[in-house]
Amino acid sequence: ELQLLESGGGLVQPGGSLRLSCAASGFTFSGSAMTWVRQAPGEGLDWVSLISYNGGSTYYADSVKGRFTISRDNSRNILYLQMDSLRAEDTALYYCARDMQLSYWGQGTLVTVSS
Amino acid sequence: DIQMTQSPSSLSASVGDRVTITCRASQGIRNDLGWYQQKPGKAPKRLIYAASNLESGVPSRFSGSGSGTEFTLTISSLQPEDFATYYCLQHGSYPFTFGPGTKVDI
Repeated sequence: ELQLLESGGGLVQPGGSLRLSCAASGFTFSGSAMTWVRQAPGEGLDWVSLISYNGGSTYYADSVKGRFTISRDNSRNILYLQMDSLRAEDTALYYCARDMQLSYWGQGTLVTVSS
Repeated sequence: DIQMTQSPSSLSASVGDRVTITCRASQGIRNDLGWYQQKPGKAPKRLIYAASNLESGVPSRFSGSGSGTEFTLTISSLQPEDFATYYCLQHGSYPFTFGPGTKVDI
């Protein structure tokens, strides 16, 4: 069964850092691009970042470029999102999703940026 | 960046109604568009990929059409479980972008 399980969310102060993880199982992780999407409370979906199947290419939304870094460990089937210089507007539920077409989603991990 | 708009932003409908949601892209994106359904407190679920292809397991009352800059999602006969928020996503040009969503309620 295909599964994506996010973790690493929590409360962090503005300017702080957090690293999210997404553990994948049930499909060939090393053959799939992976995506991060976020959703602020009561708001719509916001595409954040994508990494190619081998990590060779990465893409970011303008709002996070230079602050967030997407990476992956294909030996452990884990996707990461390193988030630095966090702002209040980064508060959201962060989802990982399979491939560029977001064919399958995890349940999300909540990040709250507040003093 | 490509901007996505959706209309309407919300609609009220009854069981059995035919519902159509439109998504427009600020630039042509061929058929690089998907439709997603999200119910309260749940993760989104893909319904349609490549503009008009039905995801496996999704009821046939859902259909998608369009290419270039204008796309539609149609629910032929609304069922109680279809009350949700629907989003389009363009994946034709980085950064990818979602539409603002259409909330379908009773």
